[in-house]
Amino acid sequence: AQSVTQLDSQVPVFEEAPVELRCNYSSSVSVYLFWYVQYPNQGLQLLLKYLSGSTLVKGINGFEAEFNKSQTSFHLRKPSVHISDTAEYFCAVSGPSYGQNFVFGPGTRLSVLP
Amino acid sequence: GAVVSQHPSRVICKSGTSVKIECRSLDFQATTMFWYRQFPKQSLMLMATSNEGSKATYEQGVEKDKFLINHASLTLSTLTVTSAHPEDSSFYICSAAGGAQGDTQYFGPGTRLTVL
Repeated sequence: AQSVTQLDSQVPVFEEAPVELRCNYSSSVSVYLFWYVQYPNQGLQLLLKYLSGSTLVKGINGFEAEFNKSQTSFHLRKPSVHISDTAEYFCAVSGPSYGQNFVFGPGTRLSVLP
Repeated sequence: GAVVSQHPSRVICKSGTSVKIECRSLDFQATTMFWYRQFPKQSLMLMATSNEGSKATYEQGVEKDKFLINHASLTLSTLTVTSAHPEDSSFYICSAAGGAQGDTQYFGPGTRLTVL
């Protein structure tokens, strides 16, 4: 079975500061990794995904994530956050086939302060 | 990108009544649709997976007679919460995959169900 851990339930950060949201996963099979963002009372929007190839993945809204197989991590980063980035962020894993056995992490609440 | 809609966005009902939630893929044919439930300040939990024309596959612990899922066409899946009770109050989110979008799941905006 696969599992996803997001160690930080809440991350407050000042506007224009860098941020890293941590994600670790556990799986006995090859995985595909995703980051989603959820704004209040809305569904999920895909930020980025890792399928294969380069371990550094760039997504929308200036976010990027790096897949580290040895550390089973897929941390999300942004060099300079905006107030509008305030939202809930979910890391997810699927595998061994793409889109199969989708498991979400508990989420990290990013609060960007003025 | 692919667009998935849900209707209604919010619904309030009395205990004991049934509620139907629709999930539509607006610009692609979704061979597979997923239904998730999200409790306040918690992550999404997969309830069931449905393939067009087939019976839904429910996750362990999800009552299939309680949460009826129908995926009758490539663009529409419905979730019916039968004899709803206050503990069924939650945020229900669907996602769709398939067709030109491949296996990528595209999520709907969610439906807030409140059972009084």
